Amino acid sequence: LAKTTQPISMDSYEGQEVNITCSHNNIATNDYITWYQQFPSQGPRFIIQGYKTKVTNEVASLFIPADRKSSTLSLPRVSLSDTAVYYCLVGPPVDSSYKLIFGSGTRLLVRP
Amino acid sequence: GAVVSQHPSWVICKSGTSVKIECRSLDFQATTMFWYRQFPKQSLMLMATSNEGSKATYEQGVEKDKFLINHASLTLSTLTVTSAHPEDSSFYICSVRTSARGNEQFFGPGTRLTVL
Repeated sequence: LAKTTQPISMDSYEGQEVNITCSHNNIATNDYITWYQQFPSQGPRFIIQGYKTKVTNEVASLFIPADRKSSTLSLPRVSLSDTAVYYCLVGPPVDSSYKLIFGSGTRLLVRP
Repeated sequence: GAVVSQHPSWVICKSGTSVKIECRSLDFQATTMFWYRQFPKQSLMLMATSNEGSKATYEQGVEKDKFLINHASLTLSTLTVTSAHPEDSSFYICSVRTSARGNEQFFGPGTRLTVL
């Protein structure tokens, strides 16, 4: 599985756009990039998944450059409730034997 | 997303006792279930992968006799922490996956185990 590298922590203020970048230099052809959000004492929650270029949903956008060696999760206009740990995972979801292996994640703190 | 439940949500037990944690997939039959453990301020660590009707596959360093996993049906998996000790105190999270949903993985709310 491709190893991922993310910043350990980030600080932001309410209303700002937050961009969290993840490096995955060894990403394979069949790998997708998936981001999860985890609040304290809760299980992770799926945010967004993409393969290339840009993906947007009601929660976030995911930007993936052509070489796919990195990706950026963009959270528009964050609020205090976006304070959480964000995990970037890379792997082949179509593979039934695929296991989600979590890295250290990025601890986002949104301040008033 | 799919609904995954865990029971209990928290449990406190004495050292030496065994604790069973249930994970249920409420709205689809899970092809595979996973168990994770998470210590405070740390990431999730995969403990084992469980397929219905077969023995669980444990990750390196996880004692299979310590953490018994039973996947009796397509909607229920149980994790039993045997002879629990304080160092087993952790947040245990299950997740489920189904090929019917493109192998998307859904997580339960977690179970907080405290061993005194």
